[in-house]
Amino acid sequence: QSVLTQSASVSGSPGQSITISCTGSNTDVGGHNSVSWYQHYPGKDPKLLIFDVSNRPSGVSDRFSGSKSGNTASLSISGLQSDDEAVYFCSSYSSDNMPYLFGSGTKVAVL
Amino acid sequence: VQLMESGGGSVQPGGSLRLSCVASGFTFSYYEMMWVRQAPGKGLESVAYTSASGATTIYADSVKGRFTISRDDSANSVHLQISSLRVEDAAIYFCTRKMLFDPAFDIWGRGTVVSVSS
Repeated sequence: QSVLTQSASVSGSPGQSITISCTGSNTDVGGHNSVSWYQHYPGKDPKLLIFDVSNRPSGVSDRFSGSKSGNTASLSISGLQSDDEAVYFCSSYSSDNMPYLFGSGTKVAVL
Repeated sequence: VQLMESGGGSVQPGGSLRLSCVASGFTFSYYEMMWVRQAPGKGLESVAYTSASGATTIYADSVKGRFTISRDDSANSVHLQISSLRVEDAAIYFCTRKMLFDPAFDIWGRGTVVSVSS
């Protein structure tokens, strides 16, 4: 099962800002600046939004931003749009057996 | 640049399948690769990892001894041999490429579905 804990769902109105959290431990999120975030529309391939906690790949909107405090990382989406409705997953490098861990996913709804 | 998975299907408990992922548009041999799965209504779970050379493979505890990851750089492909299938192995299996210099996954396939039922 997923070892990084995310809230099941978050919702907001168009134009608003929302924040999604991802909680791990000091052997993954808290111990490395290696958190990444993905946007997933069911049936499609997941898309990388953020890597190394706060870096955006080329082509990703600056409405998406990442941060981290202790064992919890966060993804913020500003200026919420209808096509932001998707599932968002976090990931982190880990010092444990499996080097890369993923989160339980957060479904974002735009009201 | 893309990844395309195949090989999923419906299998009885105890059965086997071989999943394949073919890469195109990039120099496959440079990249570490992983298989990640998503069970119905669940989050993502790392299943198996291979280094770029193939010399290092790592498995989730839940699949160790039953799943085998391998790569064929001549065919730009990575495979996942799954055996002794359990009901809890039912999931969408994604193939993904790790970025060259950062611990994140920048290319994903759309997944292949594995169903397990008697």
